[in-house]
Amino acid sequence: KNEVEQSPQNLTAQEGEFITINCSYSVGISALHWLQQHPGGGIVSLFMLSSGKKKHGRLIATINIQEKHSSLHITASHPRDSAVYICAVGFGNEKLTFGTGTRLTIIP
Amino acid sequence: GAVVSQHPSRVICKSGTSVKIECRSLDFQATTMFWYRQFPKQSLMLMATSNEGSKATYEQGVEKDKFLINHASLTLSTLTVTSAHPEDSSFYICSAPRNSPNYGYTFGSGTRLTVV
Repeated sequence: KNEVEQSPQNLTAQEGEFITINCSYSVGISALHWLQQHPGGGIVSLFMLSSGKKKHGRLIATINIQEKHSSLHITASHPRDSAVYICAVGFGNEKLTFGTGTRLTIIP
Repeated sequence: GAVVSQHPSRVICKSGTSVKIECRSLDFQATTMFWYRQFPKQSLMLMATSNEGSKATYEQGVEKDKFLINHASLTLSTLTVTSAHPEDSSFYICSAPRNSPNYGYTFGSGTRLTVV
């Protein structure tokens, strides 16, 4: 069974700061996902990665397969980025294994 | 594309009644639907996996007679919480694997169930 760990659990930062959230997993994977859960509960899929790096707007996700580690970065953070960010591993019809989430709060 | 519409978003029901939650894939065919439950400040917990036209697969500890899952078509999966009790109050959310090309997952918007 894959264990997925995230750090930090909680993160508070000032608007404009560069944010990094980390995720590590224990067993080789097909794909890693970064999800964003807003206070209302809805979940948005931000990235799916199997190697390298992806960028979307101010969000950047990287993965190091050898080290079994991924990071999510947010540049020029904004209060609207405040949410819970969840790392998950799985692919296709596989069950996703979730990290415990990182609660991010950006203060204006 | 690849939208899953989940209804209702919030429901309050009395103990002993049943509640049905629907997840519809709007622009793709969802042969598989995952149903999750989430308690406050906890991670998502997989309850069951439904596959169109076959019986759902339940995770250990999840009562299949209490949480009835139906996936009768490629665009609709339902979860019925039967004889609801206050301890069933939770956030329920569905998710479907997207078809090619990117094979990610699409999530419903979730249902907050309160049993009084």
